[in-house]
Amino acid sequence: QVQLQESGPGLVKPSQTLSLTCTVSGGSISSGNYYWTWFRQPAGKGLEWIGRIYSSGSTYYNSSLNSRVTISADTSANQFSLKLSSVSAADTAVYYCARGDTGNKFPLYFHPWGQGTLVTVSS
Amino acid sequence: DIQMTQSPSSLSASVGDRVTITCRASQSISNYLNWYQWKPGKAPKLLIYAASSLQNEVPSRFSGSGSGTDFTLTISSLQPEDFATYYCQQSYSNPAFGGGTKVEIK
Repeated sequence: QVQLQESGPGLVKPSQTLSLTCTVSGGSISSGNYYWTWFRQPAGKGLEWIGRIYSSGSTYYNSSLNSRVTISADTSANQFSLKLSSVSAADTAVYYCARGDTGNKFPLYFHPWGQGTLVTVSS
Repeated sequence: DIQMTQSPSSLSASVGDRVTITCRASQSISNYLNWYQWKPGKAPKLLIYAASSLQNEVPSRFSGSGSGTDFTLTISSLQPEDFATYYCQQSYSNPAFGGGTKVEIK
């Protein structure tokens, strides 16, 4: 059974880079046709898609964050990571990783998910 | 971008009640609609995919219907473990979620 777990600092200073890792167990991130994906949810607000990396290594980002986001994969560690640069208080949110099942062009659905990790941007 | 609108944003119900949550897309998305259950501190759970397909190991009291722009999630007989927040998500284009429906105990 595939499981995902987010990890990383819970506090990041403004203007710095937020870095999170999603560790995948029970399956390889380099096998199968999956989109390894990041989402976030600020307190009291909606869920936002951040970006995804395909099992081939191709990446796709939300255009609203595109210039600040990098998603990468470490197949030897079976992890994928999120870096978000130049953060501000608006980036304070619970961050989730999830596996997207392959569709024609976009992931059909997301399963499973990590539990989420709260990242606060504050000095 | 496709906008997803869920209603109601919250509801109070009793164990055994039939509960219906609706989700509307700003344009037709065929059947590219999924439903998830969110509980605090737990990993979100996929319930329904492709509008009406029940995810493995999800109880049959959950069902989904609809196509085009209007969709429904129904819980036929609410159980104590079903008190949670439910989100719809379109997969016709880059992911977008509804605002959520919090199901609370009456």
